[in-house]
Amino acid sequence: NAGVTQTPKFRVLKTGQSMTLLCAQDMNHEYMYWYRQDPGMGLRLIHYSVGEGTTAKGEVPDGYNVSRLKKQNFLLGLESAAPSQTSVYFCASTGGTGRSYEQYFGPGTRLTVT
Amino acid sequence: GNSVTQMEGPVTLSEEAFLTINCTYTATGYPSLFWYVQYPGEGLQLLLKATKADDKGSNKGFEATYRKETTSFHLEKGSVQVSDSAVYFCALPFSGSRLTFGEGTQLTVNP
Repeated sequence: NAGVTQTPKFRVLKTGQSMTLLCAQDMNHEYMYWYRQDPGMGLRLIHYSVGEGTTAKGEVPDGYNVSRLKKQNFLLGLESAAPSQTSVYFCASTGGTGRSYEQYFGPGTRLTVT
Repeated sequence: GNSVTQMEGPVTLSEEAFLTINCTYTATGYPSLFWYVQYPGEGLQLLLKATKADDKGSNKGFEATYRKETTSFHLEKGSVQVSDSAVYFCALPFSGSRLTFGEGTQLTVNP
């Protein structure tokens, strides 16, 4: 059981370039999430998905797009990267069973936009 | 909506000292409460949880009690180790399956 994996681990982009971050989970979880973590800002939710084929906006969705074509994968896209998107990105998933909603996190992707 | 307020850091302790990190919440009903830990360079891991009022969650020597009277879920450990140095986040469900997290408390334990 790999849990939640993220690809790539590190990336450097130039302003205006595009890229896609991949998140995969092998726990058959319904719900998946993308967060960004910045110093002094805690975790902020970018987008999330409550099932295959669904996506929804979180707190800070601007500049990002997502897709959930398969239940186990959740992709985060940056169409035109900006320096303000320099951050550490975390993917998480949860089964959503009962009232618990505990989330399982990936190891993170460190993105630098120059 | 539900929200959480977490003690600001950073916190610096000597090995074997007692640790308390405060967390208070505002919530409708009695949702589950969580403490997550983030070690340097890693993602968040669930440290412990409590699913109903008066429950005590525990793991790795850490404890937290779900206190509805004071709307608190303070994290405690009797004797910290250098390996406990990490960032700790309090969290609870915000809306549907989403969680809301505290700002995080950086703990450094010196030998």
